[in-house]
Amino acid sequence: DAGITQSPRHKVTETGTPVTLRCHQTENHRYMYWYRQDPGHGLRLIHYSYGVKDTDKGEVSDGYSVSRSKTEDFLLTLESATSSQTSVYFCAISDLGGAGTYEQYFGPGTRLTVT
Amino acid sequence: SQKIEQNSEALNIQEGKTATLTCNYTNYSPAYLQWYRQDPGRGPVFLLLIRENEKEKRKERLKVTFDTTLKQSLFHITASQPADSATYLCALDRGSTLGRLYFGRGTQLTVWP
Repeated sequence: DAGITQSPRHKVTETGTPVTLRCHQTENHRYMYWYRQDPGHGLRLIHYSYGVKDTDKGEVSDGYSVSRSKTEDFLLTLESATSSQTSVYFCAISDLGGAGTYEQYFGPGTRLTVT
Repeated sequence: SQKIEQNSEALNIQEGKTATLTCNYTNYSPAYLQWYRQDPGRGPVFLLLIRENEKEKRKERLKVTFDTTLKQSLFHITASQPADSATYLCALDRGSTLGRLYFGRGTQLTVWP
């Protein structure tokens, strides 16, 4: 998985509790992304980062926050988890390739269940 | 907002045949279209990319076409094998400097012996 790890890989938590997911890369890529994947919706972008401390919202950012204090780490926080946030979360990285394009490389995913 | 449609949720074909998957988009013209493969329980894996000024791109048994008039990309797997069974995602890159992609929902391909 191209030097990308996600932790934890599985988590079960209760409604209302805070949850932090971690994405760690060893590729020194500038861009990092958090997606969620749900049946019938495909991959939807939550937040992304274009550098240390530079982040922006994706299409489904409500209820989520992110932080990037180092190039290699991108954290996704659910401040107060809800059942609608039960999903599989993927982290991805990319950088400007020699052809001027941005292929993304994905981590193994975190399966989060909110009960 | 950007819309990407992969018009088959599932495609079943016999081994040895050519699989053809379709990706249609609306609203904005992409600078690039990317195709990914996803196996159950794993993250997507990049396969191929085609630029807006390219008609066709090949990689081994894979071929991608891009028709900006029809706003469509076709993804072909020739001489398909059971190991090609997976979900295939298309993703649209509008050419921003942030590397942001817009993904379709995917087509689940099953190749039976």
